[in-house]
Amino acid sequence: GAGVSQSPRYKVAKRGQDVALRCDPISGHVSLFWYQQALGQGPEFLTYFQNEAQLDKSGLPSDRFFAERPEGSVSTLKIQRTQQEDSAVYLCASSFAGNYNEQFFGPGTRLTVL
Amino acid sequence: QKEVEQDPGPLSVPEGAIVSLNCTYSNSAFQYFMWYRQYSRKGPELLMYTYSSGNKEDGRFTAQVDKSSKYISLFIRDSQPSDSATYLCAMILAAGGSYIPTFGRGTSLIVHP
Repeated sequence: GAGVSQSPRYKVAKRGQDVALRCDPISGHVSLFWYQQALGQGPEFLTYFQNEAQLDKSGLPSDRFFAERPEGSVSTLKIQRTQQEDSAVYLCASSFAGNYNEQFFGPGTRLTVL
Repeated sequence: QKEVEQDPGPLSVPEGAIVSLNCTYSNSAFQYFMWYRQYSRKGPELLMYTYSSGNKEDGRFTAQVDKSSKYISLFIRDSQPSDSATYLCAMILAAGGSYIPTFGRGTSLIVHP
């Protein structure tokens, strides 16, 4: 079946613009994670959903970052008033409930803020 | 000091070599240990995971966990150019409902023909 998909794959934004990044998880996967990966670093946790409930948003770096998953499938990560330090790859991962150690990652969205 | 330390490399080996990739960690409460492979401009792909201590083998890959030393390893036998990628270790506490993986920064591996 299809894996995790993310769109857009690449996004260039001017500083101060708002962006929205989309994640389509694997069908049937209850758990959904967002990560931020800076160049040369490992993924850093941002937020976690179980179905439509956002159970943990402790990794979101500021209140400019907002994530939602209203129907328990597709998720959107929104960044308001983007800044240069937001430039990174944003990864989405999904898994079956309870299988946190078996996450399936999407290809990521590479965000560049000019 | 980060919770999970991983040498970024690059590690360059000839085809057919045995590769050893390692991570150290500081939190002795970690229980799940994973290895991911990440090709350039792709998302990480789970290779193996291990619960607690011990070894696990899958084809050319062997994962080892030494909780007493807080040290985990991934061995790749008969390495191939297609193994060239960044290898990320990750760990989960699991206890107390903590399910968020902590990743190392990744080791870049280059296998040359």
